[in-house]
Amino acid sequence: QQPVQSPQAVILREGEDAVINCSSSKALYSVHWYRQKHGEAPVFLMILLKGGEQKGHEKISASFNEKKQQSSLYLTASQLSYSGTYFCGTRREGASGTYKYIFGTGTRLKVLA
Amino acid sequence: EAGVAQSPRYKIIEKRQSVAFWCNPISGHATLYWYQQILGQGPKLLIQFQNNGVVDDSQLPKDRFSAERLKGVDSTLKIQPAKLEDSAVYLCASSAGRGFDGYTFGSGTRLTVV
Repeated sequence: QQPVQSPQAVILREGEDAVINCSSSKALYSVHWYRQKHGEAPVFLMILLKGGEQKGHEKISASFNEKKQQSSLYLTASQLSYSGTYFCGTRREGASGTYKYIFGTGTRLKVLA
Repeated sequence: EAGVAQSPRYKIIEKRQSVAFWCNPISGHATLYWYQQILGQGPKLLIQFQNNGVVDDSQLPKDRFSAERLKGVDSTLKIQPAKLEDSAVYLCASSAGRGFDGYTFGSGTRLTVV
């Protein structure tokens, strides 16, 4: 039930674009995206809600496709600082109105000068 | 705003020993999470607290792991006895829990079991 991310790894040159996909086997309610640099904690980038608009953060944006049960993260004109591992987190409903986020398999991104 | 505080930063123990990790979430955040992150993998939820009550501990190996959040603020995660496969980074996160909030993670505790 862990979301599957693709690609597993990608290498870019500065200024190039990349797309990271997050696919869920279950219905999507909302999706978190995080970036984790080596040896550091994951940092929250954005949340996408069901029926909500495409979100943006710096030159990073994301979309939410309820029908495909998929979210995609778009990195435009990548910078060296974008290097890291990107994780999506998909919401799972629990009992009594509670919920939790299940993290995906991760995508390692390396931006070269 | 102060972040999520965790200690210790690193810990090396022998198998069968016990270890405890501490987390202080962002002030006012009702929801606290403990995640286990094995090298090269995504964080895996161990336990989720709402104030001082457990919301989800379905993935917590309860024969050896325990966690508490007695006053609804800081939390402790304990492993007793530790196994080699417990080597991982243990991340604490907190959230205001309003449905549109992300998680704020602490720097984590890197545990090595030898």
